[in-house]
Amino acid sequence: GENVEQHPSTLSVQEGDSAVIKCTYSDSASNYFPWYKQELGKRPQLIIDIRSNVGEKKDQRIAVTLNKTAKHFSLHITETQPEDSAVYFCASGYSTLTFGKGTMLLVSP
Amino acid sequence: NAGVMQNPRHLVRRRGQEARLRCSPMKGHSHVYWYRQLPEEGLKFMVYLQKENIIDESGMPKERFSAEFPKEGPSILRIQQVVRGDSAAYFCASSPSGLAKADTQYFGPGTRLTVL
Repeated sequence: GENVEQHPSTLSVQEGDSAVIKCTYSDSASNYFPWYKQELGKRPQLIIDIRSNVGEKKDQRIAVTLNKTAKHFSLHITETQPEDSAVYFCASGYSTLTFGKGTMLLVSP
Repeated sequence: NAGVMQNPRHLVRRRGQEARLRCSPMKGHSHVYWYRQLPEEGLKFMVYLQKENIIDESGMPKERFSAEFPKEGPSILRIQQVVRGDSAAYFCASSPSGLAKADTQYFGPGTRLTVL
């Protein structure tokens, strides 16, 4: 089955800095790569997703890149704010999703 | 448009009892997915259902766990004879069509199960 590795497990940045989270996947059939943000005690919220026919997607301060040849995709957050602090999960799949173990992002004022 | 609904939000059971978790998908969604999240861990896929059909149950433990999504009513995840290791947050998600069409999954608020 699919295996998703996510790094780093924790990431501390200063407000205004950029944050990058990287994931690799194993199943070449995967065609969908969403990113979710989860605050403590809350549900995962989709923040951005990318499909296999696209190499990059941007939505304001958030961007995702996908390299299907290397089987990795990354989340980029620019101009980080304290409210960006949360756990971020990558996922990949075809008919079901496999999630990474998450990255705890801490943005210090 | 109401989001994915789950109830109860919190459930306490003693070892050996049954836990029944409910999930109502978003309006117009016919695909439901159940995930388990242990403290400080990621989401583990359990089962994928369409109305009246189990499509993929590769993540379900072989014993004590079952799921259904009847023609009418919510999807139900049932855990029989609960043990302390079943304590976790159980999330369901729904999508308008299957992931083969690369559809977004929207998550419910989760049910936090505590087994005493």
